[in-house]
Amino acid sequence: AQKVTQAQTEISVVEKEDVTLDCVYETRDTTYYLFWYKQPPSGELVFLIRRNSFDEQNEISGRYSWNFQKSTSSFNFTITASQVVDSAVYFCALSEGVYNFNKFYFGSGTKLNVKP
Amino acid sequence: EPEVTQTPSHQVTQMGQEVILRCVPISNHLYFYWYRQILGQKVEFLVSFYNNEISEKSEIFDDQFSVERPDGSNFTLKIRSTKLEDSAMYFCASGDRAENIQYFGAGTRLSVL
Repeated sequence: AQKVTQAQTEISVVEKEDVTLDCVYETRDTTYYLFWYKQPPSGELVFLIRRNSFDEQNEISGRYSWNFQKSTSSFNFTITASQVVDSAVYFCALSEGVYNFNKFYFGSGTKLNVKP
Repeated sequence: EPEVTQTPSHQVTQMGQEVILRCVPISNHLYFYWYRQILGQKVEFLVSFYNNEISEKSEIFDDQFSVERPDGSNFTLKIRSTKLEDSAMYFCASGDRAENIQYFGAGTRLSVL
């Protein structure tokens, strides 16, 4: 079974549209961490946000916002007023357990194309 | 801003050859990782390393693979006898206990011919 599911393979939007990337996770641990990473065309993985399982407070950071809901095991990511530079593959990841050095399980990624 | 550095950016090798992929983690980090990403697929965990030993390894990380921290700054991944299916992007990551964030390098693209 997939630990992290990103059902949207590819999304295309026009600049200035809002877009939400979905992430559903599966774990039996009560303590876990969720992450979003961005992989631009240059290939590196850039950290965007971390949330732990005890912190369901949603966050807004500039044009980015995150919606964490334990009841539905979802950790969705929204870009408001998208820009061409947001074009990238976005990965959701899960780290299980209380230890801070556990491995990440990545989703298969969502490719976001923002057209001018 | 501190970053994880990986060299080379692209490595081409013949099947059966040994390759060593190099990483310089962020200097005060204690946890080190290798992941790989086959073209178009998800990022997969290979191995984690702490206190000079492997903490965990995946089923991908078989006897052909080894890791080493030879000099306190570099962290290397060795593939002893490469196969065609080892062609992938290999990412190094490092982290510390406080943040629980893994910071990734830009990756090494390995092409096995």
